[in-house]
Amino acid sequence: SFELTQPPSVSVSPGQTASITCSGDKLGKKYASWYQQKPGQSPVLVLYRDYERPSGIPERFSGSNSGETATLTISGTQAVDEADYYCQAWDRFTVFFGGGTKLTVL
Amino acid sequence: QVQLQESGPGLMKPSQTLSLTCTVSGGSISSADYYWTWIRQPPGKGLEWIGNIYYSGSTYYNPSLKSRLTISVDTSKNQFSLNLTSMTAADTAVYYCANMYSSSYYFDSWGQGTLVTV
Repeated sequence: SFELTQPPSVSVSPGQTASITCSGDKLGKKYASWYQQKPGQSPVLVLYRDYERPSGIPERFSGSNSGETATLTISGTQAVDEADYYCQAWDRFTVFFGGGTKLTVL
Repeated sequence: QVQLQESGPGLMKPSQTLSLTCTVSGGSISSADYYWTWIRQPPGKGLEWIGNIYYSGSTYYNPSLKSRLTISVDTSKNQFSLNLTSMTAADTAVYYCANMYSSSYYFDSWGQGTLVTV
């Protein structure tokens, strides 16, 4: 069955670019969304329809989705971006979440 | 933007039935634009989709929970609800309600979440 796979953790230095991947069978043919979750808070949508940013999300957040992999890219990463990130997709009337990636800004 | 608020018990005993309600404000639960969704997150773990309901009453459930799960909608109160039977310690989690756009399948708004401990 369909599933989404993310790396458990990614580390980045402040000001550098962080990339978080999400892999799934033919994921590029589906819409991928990304959520940021900080401790004790509800998830927040940061990207939808692969690369669209909701209002209020900084331009440093961007995305792509092709083949088997969707990627969330954070350019000029800031300390405030340290959080858990989840990808999400819809397949055959079922919602799938990736296992989550803990982004550490060192 | 739609706002959502979960309500329900915080503490339960094994074998009891969980009943949660999500109150929707700033939009109509009868809108064809959204699926109304329950999602949970066990402590220290990732997000798990529980199920969706459409304004028409059509439901879509996580296969792993389907035998214990009922999601319903009350248009008169602008609310939707979750019933999960035979609760065990494995069901301990923060339970969120959210709305998913029916055309693009992303969650635009989330409730604050409610911790349910079994």
